Order: sequence, then structure tokens, then C-alpha cells
Amino acid sequence: SAVISQKPSRDICQRGTSLTIQCQVDSQVTMMFWYRQQPGQSLTLIATANQGSEATYESGFVIDKFPISRPNLTFSTLTVSNMSPEDSSIYLCSVERDRAGEQYFGPGTRLTVT
Amino acid sequence: AQTVTQSQPEMSVQEAETVTLSCTYDTSESDYYLFWYKQPPSRQMILVIRQEAYKQQNATENRFSVNFQKAAKSFSLKISDSQLGDAAMYFCAYRSAGGGADGLTFGKGTHLIIQP
Repeated sequence: SAVISQKPSRDICQRGTSLTIQCQVDSQVTMMFWYRQQPGQSLTLIATANQGSEATYESGFVIDKFPISRPNLTFSTLTVSNMSPEDSSIYLCSVERDRAGEQYFGPGTRLTVT
Repeated sequence: AQTVTQSQPEMSVQEAETVTLSCTYDTSESDYYLFWYKQPPSRQMILVIRQEAYKQQNATENRFSVNFQKAAKSFSLKISDSQLGDAAMYFCAYRSAGGGADGLTFGKGTHLIIQP
């Protein structure tokens, strides 16, 4: 498995502001991902964080709204920009290592936008 | 695009009994992975079990086992000897084995209640 930490664990933000979420892994991993879990819903993939190149976004998610950085193989950030109440969700990072296909998740960041 | 369907929003089982959670998926691919994840109220996603599509043998992990029916595109999770700590949301997930950096596609989840 992997030890993954996320900061902050939760935050309450005002609409129109931005929040950057950090994801740190205990060892180098090739693949890192960001997911969103809206209240009472399942997880939806936002993007794949690529080291050394732009993130790959899923349909419905754009770089201007969710810019992602991946400066090295153990760290990534997701920024939620120009927030609205609809952005209130849990944001989770995950990594894939060891056996192919297995993803391990961070503890999530609970974001509330007022 | 792949889809994952969990048709049981909620299931309830008595402690020590066995329960089966259902999952079906739709894909045109022949090689892929399937997973069950558990999310307790702490919201931490925990990998329960993994199945590779090219393997006919059903995966097992202690009290957890799957019934993988590739032709029917069905992937159910059986929990034996249910324990109070099994209470959680359970998500079925699909990942392509195409070799790219693919994320997971999740079902909507099943809320499992354990009755003491």
C-alpha cells in the first residue's frame, strides 16, 4: 500500500476564492489522480496528475477551474478556483503503485463553500 | 466509455450472517481490473478486493470473496460472518488495463448496515 497525506483535512471558504489542496506520498509513485466526491455521491475522476507535464483532465473538468501541479514523484496539488457552493465536496488524491491497477487513497479534504 | 452500476442503494444484514452486494458493468474492453472499495464514516477509501479480468478464478481476501462472471459483466462481493466494523459504503470500481494512466470508474455505492 502507500501512506498518503492531504492538507488541509477540511476547510470552509467563501465563494469566489481559491483553495489549494496538497497531496504527499511516502515514496515515489508514477501515477497520481484527483477525485471529487460530492455530498452523498460516488467518486468522480477529475484528472491524472502527470509529473513534468500538464495534467490530463476528464470530460467536464477544465484546467482553469482545477489547476494541478505535480513537481515530483511524491507530491501534487489541486487548486479549486473561483469557488461556488457547488464545489462543496470531498476531494481525494490517489496513487497507483505495486500491483497494476490498484489505487490507494488519501484521507480526503472536505471543502465547504459558503 | 465504461459504466458501473450498483443497483442496491442500501443493504442490511445481521451480525455474523452473510451478505452479497451486486455490481454490473459495461465495457467493450477485454482486459481490465475490477475492485471493491469500502468507505466508512471516516471517509477513508479502503481497498477490499481486486480481480483481474483475465483470471477466471474468483478473488478472495479472508471473509471477502467475489463472484466474477465476465460474460454477464457481473462482479458481486460476498461478505461472510459480517462484523460491526463492516458497516460502510461499498463502491464497485472499474479500471482499464490498457497500459495508460487510467483512473477508476465507480458505481454509486451500496450502504451496508450491520444489525447487532
